[in-house]
Amino acid sequence: RKEVEQDPGPFNVPEGATVAFNCTYSNSASQSFFWYRQDCRKEPKLLMSVYSSGNEDGRFTAQLNRASQYISLLIRDSKLSDSATYLCVVLTSGTYKYIFGTGTRLKVLA
Amino acid sequence: GAGVSQSPSNKVTEKGKDVELRCDPISGHTALYWYRQSLGQGLEFLIYFQGNSAPDKSGLPSDRFSAERTGGSVSTLTIQRTQQEDSAVYLCASSSSSSGNTIYFGEGSWLTVV
Repeated sequence: RKEVEQDPGPFNVPEGATVAFNCTYSNSASQSFFWYRQDCRKEPKLLMSVYSSGNEDGRFTAQLNRASQYISLLIRDSKLSDSATYLCVVLTSGTYKYIFGTGTRLKVLA
Repeated sequence: GAGVSQSPSNKVTEKGKDVELRCDPISGHTALYWYRQSLGQGLEFLIYFQGNSAPDKSGLPSDRFSAERTGGSVSTLTIQRTQQEDSAVYLCASSSSSSGNTIYFGEGSWLTVV
């Protein structure tokens, strides 16, 4: 089983739709969680950190469920510019190894 | 610098030649990482440097790959006797506990071995 698993997609959604991605992790000692966005042929860029109580940044909401060991990303009112691959990233307590999921591809359609 | 800087941004080399890729991390970041990403694939961890500690080289795919970090700042990834399967983008990243453990990437060095 992979340490971090994501549905690769693609998720094809119309503009204005709400879309949600989940990411599961296997190590219960995981400490820090992030969502990164990667555009085609570009480097990954931080979208948002994920806090225990959940957090929101504009149209984006991230949540953490430690009991079930998953994090989620909700995008409201999707824009064409949201089309990208979304990477789930997990850092385990006491380590420095960031574990990257293989990403979920989102395509927002006009 | 303001961000992680990598050079060259693109490199085309002939099979069997050696290449050097350079990374200049964010100023003050003690942790530096090298990752590799083949087209359409996920990120593959290569090596990690933290301050003056011995690097974690567990991700290097073969002994043709090596990396060093001089003075706790700039790092060089060297690939000897390049093979076609080495073609990928090589991403450098840095982080610091003072920045919430967020990892920041450079724009990558795109390597094509012909």
